[in-house]
Amino acid sequence: GAVVSQHPSWVICKSGTSVKIECRSLDFQATTMFWYRQFPKQSLMLMATSNEGSKATYEQGVEKDKFLINHASLTLSTLTVTSAHPEDSSFYICSARALPHRGLRGYTFGSGTRLTVV
Amino acid sequence: AQTVTQSQPEMSVQEAETVTLSCTYDTSENNYYLFWYKQPPSRQMILVIRQEAYKQQNATENRFSVNFQKAAKSFSLKISDSQLGDTAMYFCAFMSGTASKLTFGTGTRLQVTL
Repeated sequence: GAVVSQHPSWVICKSGTSVKIECRSLDFQATTMFWYRQFPKQSLMLMATSNEGSKATYEQGVEKDKFLINHASLTLSTLTVTSAHPEDSSFYICSARALPHRGLRGYTFGSGTRLTVV
Repeated sequence: AQTVTQSQPEMSVQEAETVTLSCTYDTSENNYYLFWYKQPPSRQMILVIRQEAYKQQNATENRFSVNFQKAAKSFSLKISDSQLGDTAMYFCAFMSGTASKLTFGTGTRLQVTL
């Protein structure tokens, strides 16, 4: 089945540094990638949607200059948290959608990245 | 904008028993899709079951079934013969027929006990 590999699974960084999170679709072409943020014991909040080769669309309230999303190829999307601060500490999850759309099972989630900023 | 509400933050069920998780949603659209996702302690999101709004028949997947009431905008999940491995957070999600993003509810934490 469709697999999305997300790395790293966890990362600790110093305040002010940048962190890059990668999501790779291993056996399909991910034309659309969704990036979510999940706080402890809370739901997934969509941060942005990216389509291969075009700029990401950010949800209201998400700083696009802080959360840089690149979707340069059909198998790789990256989220870079720039100048990270402790309040950016969270669990980040990507989700890929393939085309042709594999029916309603076309969404595949990565395993998530726990970011801790100290 | 669509909203998804899960009114049960936590639930507990004994092994082999049946439990029902509630979900309501709000939309003005007629064509949409509904999902239940499971997030175990590993945090990996797993699709449990899905329902197309245009289908009147309730979806079933082995021990999992839904009660889809379109007029009431209700989409509950029934887990039969609960197993310890069913312990997880369960999220109800909505997808518009015209957009591709998912809107999640706040989740229900299900604990299956011996």
